[in-house]
Amino acid sequence: GAVVSQHPSRVICKSGTSVKIECRSLDFQATTMFWYRQFPKQSLMLMATSNEGSKATYEQGVEKDKFLINHASLTLSTLTVTSAHPEDSSFYICSARDLLGSSYNEQFFGPGTRLTVL
Amino acid sequence: EDKVVQSPLSLVVHEGDTVTLNCSYEVTNFRSLLWYKQEKKAPTFLFMLTSSGIEKKSGRLSSILDKKELFSILNITATQTGDSAVYLCAVGSNYKLTFGKGTLLTVNP
Repeated sequence: GAVVSQHPSRVICKSGTSVKIECRSLDFQATTMFWYRQFPKQSLMLMATSNEGSKATYEQGVEKDKFLINHASLTLSTLTVTSAHPEDSSFYICSARDLLGSSYNEQFFGPGTRLTVL
Repeated sequence: EDKVVQSPLSLVVHEGDTVTLNCSYEVTNFRSLLWYKQEKKAPTFLFMLTSSGIEKKSGRLSSILDKKELFSILNITATQTGDSAVYLCAVGSNYKLTFGKGTLLTVNP
């Protein structure tokens, strides 16, 4: 149980294009999903918290107009990187918290999406 | 601002050795401390600790939390090459997790 998928696993795009990444909870409902970014040899940095049916909460320094988050259902959240630039190249990981989970902080992670912007 | 510091940043050992990884933290509204193992993809969950002094064990891995000293350790005994990974410590406060930079463990045959 508690499986989270991400699609695509890898994407290469040209500078200036937009890229959408999907995060799905496959066998549970997630009122809250989290989006992280990880640069090489760095830790996971929380970008935003996505609540189903409401606007995402962005961490300080993360541009909400550049990283658009939509959480339209209890099993799907999407992150769109708009007008991507090479400095946006990174590993993007989502996680989800089980609505009925036993722990407030336990999050289940997706496999990640490697974005390369040329 | 919440802070999680892990040490050492990297460690190289031989198979069979025992290792101890450290995690200290400063957070407001502490709820739990979590350990994850990250190989090439996303982190996989190891332990969640909420109470001081109670050791959690899973096979050769064990972990304990000291809420007075704001510290946790992760022990791995009889290490194997498959234990090579980055070990991440995260602290949960309110709604989010704050991660440390991780410890890169390399186990050589």
